[in-house]
Amino acid sequence: LAKTTQPISMDSYEGQEVNITCSHNNIATNDYITWYQQFPSQGPRFIIQGYKTKVTNEVASLFIPADRKSSTLSLPRVSLSDTAVYYCLVGPTGNTGGFKTIFGAGTRLFVKA
Amino acid sequence: EPEVTQTPSHQVTQMGQEVILRCVPISNHLYFYWYRQILGQKVEFLVSFYNNEISEKSEIFDDQFSVERPDGSNFTLKIRSTKLEDSAMYFCASSEGGTGGDEKLFFGSGTQLSVL
Repeated sequence: LAKTTQPISMDSYEGQEVNITCSHNNIATNDYITWYQQFPSQGPRFIIQGYKTKVTNEVASLFIPADRKSSTLSLPRVSLSDTAVYYCLVGPTGNTGGFKTIFGAGTRLFVKA
Repeated sequence: EPEVTQTPSHQVTQMGQEVILRCVPISNHLYFYWYRQILGQKVEFLVSFYNNEISEKSEIFDDQFSVERPDGSNFTLKIRSTKLEDSAMYFCASSEGGTGGDEKLFFGSGTQLSVL
Protein backbone atom coordinates (compact mmCIF):
# COMPACT_ATOMS: atom_id res chain seq x y z
CA LEU A 1 0.00 0.00 0.00
CA ALA A 2 1.62 3.22 -1.19
CA LYS A 3 1.87 5.74 1.63
CA THR A 4 1.33 9.38 0.81
CA THR A 5 2.71 12.47 2.51
CA GLN A 6 1.25 15.93 1.99
CA PRO A 7 1.39 19.19 3.95
CA ILE A 8 -1.04 19.39 6.83
CA SER A 9 -2.22 22.88 5.91
CA MET A 10 -1.70 25.73 3.47
CA ASP A 11 -2.89 29.31 3.31
CA SER A 12 -3.50 31.32 0.16
CA TYR A 13 -5.23 34.45 -1.07
CA GLU A 14 -8.01 34.78 -3.56
CA GLY A 15 -6.83 34.86 -7.15
CA GLN A 16 -3.57 33.04 -6.46
CA GLU A 17 -2.52 29.72 -7.92
CA VAL A 18 -2.16 27.01 -5.29
CA ASN A 19 0.09 23.99 -5.68
CA ILE A 20 -0.22 21.09 -3.25
CA THR A 21 2.48 18.47 -3.52
CA CYS A 22 2.07 14.88 -2.43
CA SER A 23 4.93 12.43 -1.97
CA HIS A 24 4.42 8.75 -2.71
CA ASN A 25 7.88 7.24 -2.88
CA ASN A 26 6.78 3.60 -3.00
CA ILE A 27 4.15 3.97 -5.68
CA ALA A 28 3.61 0.75 -7.62
CA THR A 29 3.57 0.33 -11.37
CA ASN A 30 -0.19 -0.09 -11.56
CA ASP A 31 -1.07 2.67 -9.09
CA TYR A 32 -3.03 5.73 -10.13
CA ILE A 33 -2.92 9.08 -8.34
CA THR A 34 -6.26 10.55 -7.40
CA TRP A 35 -7.18 13.77 -5.62
CA TYR A 36 -10.37 14.48 -3.73
CA GLN A 37 -11.76 17.64 -2.16
CA GLN A 38 -13.86 17.74 0.99
CA PHE A 39 -15.87 20.64 2.34
CA PRO A 40 -17.04 20.62 5.98
CA SER A 41 -19.93 18.23 6.63
CA GLN A 42 -19.84 16.91 3.06
CA GLY A 43 -18.48 13.78 1.47
CA PRO A 44 -15.22 13.87 -0.48
CA ARG A 45 -15.56 14.88 -4.10
CA PHE A 46 -13.36 13.57 -6.91
CA ILE A 47 -11.23 16.30 -8.47
CA ILE A 48 -8.70 14.74 -10.80
CA GLN A 49 -6.79 11.56 -11.52
CA GLY A 50 -3.67 10.70 -13.43
CA TYR A 51 -1.06 8.06 -14.07
CA LYS A 52 1.83 10.04 -15.52
CA THR A 53 2.74 13.42 -17.05
CA LYS A 54 0.05 16.08 -16.86
CA VAL A 55 -3.70 15.95 -16.63
CA THR A 56 -5.96 18.99 -16.79
CA ASN A 57 -9.68 19.38 -16.35
CA GLU A 58 -12.03 22.25 -15.70
CA VAL A 59 -11.18 22.30 -12.00
CA ALA A 60 -7.46 21.60 -11.67
CA SER A 61 -4.24 20.31 -13.15
CA LEU A 62 -2.21 17.37 -11.96
CA PHE A 63 1.50 17.23 -12.61
CA ILE A 64 3.28 13.90 -12.27
CA PRO A 65 7.04 13.67 -12.88
CA ALA A 66 8.58 10.79 -14.76
CA ASP A 67 9.54 8.85 -11.62
CA ARG A 68 5.97 9.20 -10.29
CA LYS A 69 7.26 9.49 -6.71
CA SER A 70 5.34 12.70 -6.21
CA SER A 71 2.49 14.64 -7.73
CA THR A 72 1.30 18.22 -7.58
CA LEU A 73 -2.28 19.37 -7.62
CA SER A 74 -2.55 22.85 -9.09
CA LEU A 75 -5.61 25.01 -8.48
CA PRO A 76 -5.62 28.10 -10.70
CA ARG A 77 -6.87 31.37 -9.27
CA VAL A 78 -8.44 30.08 -6.08
CA SER A 79 -11.48 31.66 -4.52
CA LEU A 80 -12.86 31.59 -0.98
CA SER A 81 -15.01 28.62 -1.94
CA ASP A 82 -11.90 26.53 -2.57
CA THR A 83 -11.27 26.42 1.17
CA ALA A 84 -11.41 22.70 1.86
CA VAL A 85 -9.38 19.62 2.67
CA TYR A 86 -7.57 18.07 -0.29
CA TYR A 87 -6.65 14.40 -0.25
CA CYS A 88 -4.02 12.67 -2.34
CA LEU A 89 -4.64 8.95 -2.81
CA VAL A 90 -2.56 6.32 -4.51
CA GLY A 91 -3.95 2.94 -5.49
CA PRO A 92 -5.25 0.36 -6.23
CA THR A 93 -5.23 -1.15 -2.77
CA GLY A 94 -6.80 -4.20 -1.28
CA ASN A 95 -6.49 -7.78 -2.28
CA THR A 96 -8.32 -7.51 -5.55
CA GLY A 97 -7.64 -3.95 -6.66
CA GLY A 98 -9.38 -0.69 -5.98
CA PHE A 99 -11.85 -1.87 -3.38
CA LYS A 100 -10.20 -0.20 -0.43
CA THR A 101 -9.50 3.44 -1.14
CA ILE A 102 -7.76 4.80 1.93
CA PHE A 103 -7.75 8.49 2.82
CA GLY A 104 -4.88 10.12 4.66
CA ALA A 105 -5.08 13.27 6.75
CA GLY A 106 -5.16 15.53 3.70
CA THR A 107 -4.12 19.15 3.29
CA ARG A 108 -6.33 21.86 4.76
CA LEU A 109 -6.32 24.76 2.32
CA PHE A 110 -7.53 28.07 3.69
CA VAL A 111 -8.15 30.80 1.15
CA LYS A 112 -8.25 34.32 2.48
CA ALA A 113 -9.77 37.42 0.95
CA GLU B 1 -25.48 14.80 -12.70
CA PRO B 2 -26.26 11.47 -11.00
CA GLU B 3 -25.54 11.38 -7.30
CA VAL B 4 -25.41 9.08 -4.31
CA THR B 5 -28.24 9.75 -1.89
CA GLN B 6 -28.23 8.93 1.80
CA THR B 7 -31.00 8.85 4.35
CA PRO B 8 -31.52 10.03 6.97
CA SER B 9 -29.26 13.07 7.06
CA HIS B 10 -29.25 12.93 10.86
CA GLN B 11 -29.90 10.01 13.18
CA VAL B 12 -30.00 10.16 16.95
CA THR B 13 -30.10 6.92 18.87
CA GLN B 14 -29.60 5.54 22.33
CA MET B 15 -26.57 3.45 23.15
CA GLY B 16 -27.27 -0.22 22.54
CA GLN B 17 -29.90 0.39 19.90
CA GLU B 18 -29.71 -0.83 16.33
CA VAL B 19 -29.51 1.64 13.49
CA ILE B 20 -29.74 1.22 9.75
CA LEU B 21 -28.22 3.79 7.47
CA ARG B 22 -29.50 3.82 3.92
CA CYS B 23 -27.90 4.71 0.64
CA VAL B 24 -28.95 4.70 -2.97
CA PRO B 25 -25.80 4.43 -5.12
CA ILE B 26 -25.56 5.72 -8.66
CA SER B 27 -27.61 3.39 -10.80
CA ASN B 28 -24.96 1.95 -13.14
CA HIS B 29 -22.29 1.59 -10.45
CA LEU B 30 -21.27 -1.86 -9.31
CA TYR B 31 -19.03 -1.17 -6.33
CA PHE B 32 -20.26 0.23 -3.05
CA TYR B 33 -18.51 1.53 0.03
CA TRP B 34 -19.08 2.84 3.52
CA TYR B 35 -16.77 5.29 5.20
CA ARG B 36 -17.04 7.19 8.43
CA GLN B 37 -15.56 10.40 9.73
CA ILE B 38 -15.44 11.30 13.39
CA LEU B 39 -15.59 15.04 13.91
CA GLY B 40 -12.24 16.63 13.15
CA GLN B 41 -10.63 13.39 12.04
CA LYS B 42 -9.89 11.77 8.73
CA VAL B 43 -12.21 9.79 6.51
CA GLU B 44 -11.97 6.13 7.55
CA PHE B 45 -12.68 3.17 5.30
CA LEU B 46 -15.18 0.68 6.70
CA VAL B 47 -16.15 -1.75 3.96
CA SER B 48 -16.45 -2.29 0.24
CA PHE B 49 -19.08 -4.44 -1.46
CA TYR B 50 -19.28 -5.99 -4.88
CA ASN B 51 -21.39 -8.69 -6.44
CA ASN B 52 -23.44 -9.05 -3.27
CA GLU B 53 -20.53 -9.73 -1.01
CA ILE B 54 -17.97 -7.88 1.04
CA SER B 55 -14.75 -7.30 -0.88
CA GLU B 56 -12.66 -5.60 1.77
CA LYS B 57 -13.25 -4.47 5.32
CA SER B 58 -11.26 -2.58 7.90
CA GLU B 59 -10.61 -3.47 11.51
CA ILE B 60 -13.32 -1.01 12.46
CA PHE B 61 -15.90 -3.15 10.69
CA ASP B 62 -16.39 -5.73 13.42
CA ASP B 63 -19.29 -8.06 14.13
CA GLN B 64 -21.49 -5.16 15.15
CA PHE B 65 -21.55 -3.94 11.57
CA SER B 66 -23.19 -5.48 8.55
CA VAL B 67 -24.00 -4.37 5.03
CA GLU B 68 -26.70 -5.45 2.67
CA ARG B 69 -28.06 -4.71 -0.75
CA PRO B 70 -31.67 -5.73 -0.15
CA ASP B 71 -32.88 -4.82 -3.62
CA GLY B 72 -31.53 -3.43 -6.86
CA SER B 73 -31.11 0.10 -5.64
CA ASN B 74 -30.48 0.32 -1.89
CA PHE B 75 -27.29 -0.32 0.04
CA THR B 76 -27.51 -0.35 3.82
CA LEU B 77 -25.19 -0.27 6.80
CA LYS B 78 -26.50 -1.76 10.02
CA ILE B 79 -24.97 -1.23 13.42
CA ARG B 80 -26.48 -3.80 15.75
CA SER B 81 -25.74 -2.33 19.15
CA THR B 82 -24.49 1.20 18.94
CA LYS B 83 -21.76 2.53 21.17
CA LEU B 84 -20.92 6.11 22.05
CA GLU B 85 -17.82 5.88 19.88
CA ASP B 86 -19.93 5.07 16.84
CA SER B 87 -20.99 8.73 16.74
CA ALA B 88 -19.69 10.01 13.41
CA MET B 89 -20.63 11.07 9.92
CA TYR B 90 -21.16 8.00 7.78
CA PHE B 91 -20.59 8.32 4.06
CA CYS B 92 -21.75 5.95 1.39
CA ALA B 93 -19.89 5.89 -1.91
CA SER B 94 -20.12 4.04 -5.18
CA SER B 95 -17.92 3.56 -8.20
CA GLU B 96 -18.41 2.22 -11.67
CA GLY B 97 -15.26 0.11 -11.71
CA GLY B 98 -12.99 -1.07 -8.95
CA THR B 99 -10.24 -3.30 -10.20
CA GLY B 100 -8.08 -1.06 -12.34
CA GLY B 101 -7.02 1.41 -9.70
CA ASP B 102 -8.50 4.22 -11.72
CA GLU B 103 -11.91 4.08 -10.15
CA LYS B 104 -13.51 7.32 -9.07
CA LEU B 105 -15.57 7.22 -5.93
CA PHE B 106 -18.75 9.25 -5.75
CA PHE B 107 -19.81 10.08 -2.21
CA GLY B 108 -23.16 10.88 -0.71
CA SER B 109 -23.70 13.81 1.61
CA GLY B 110 -23.57 11.60 4.67
CA THR B 111 -25.62 10.59 7.69
CA GLN B 112 -24.64 12.21 10.96
CA LEU B 113 -25.10 9.54 13.64
CA SER B 114 -25.26 10.66 17.24
CA VAL B 115 -25.28 7.98 19.92
CA LEU B 116 -26.44 9.18 23.33
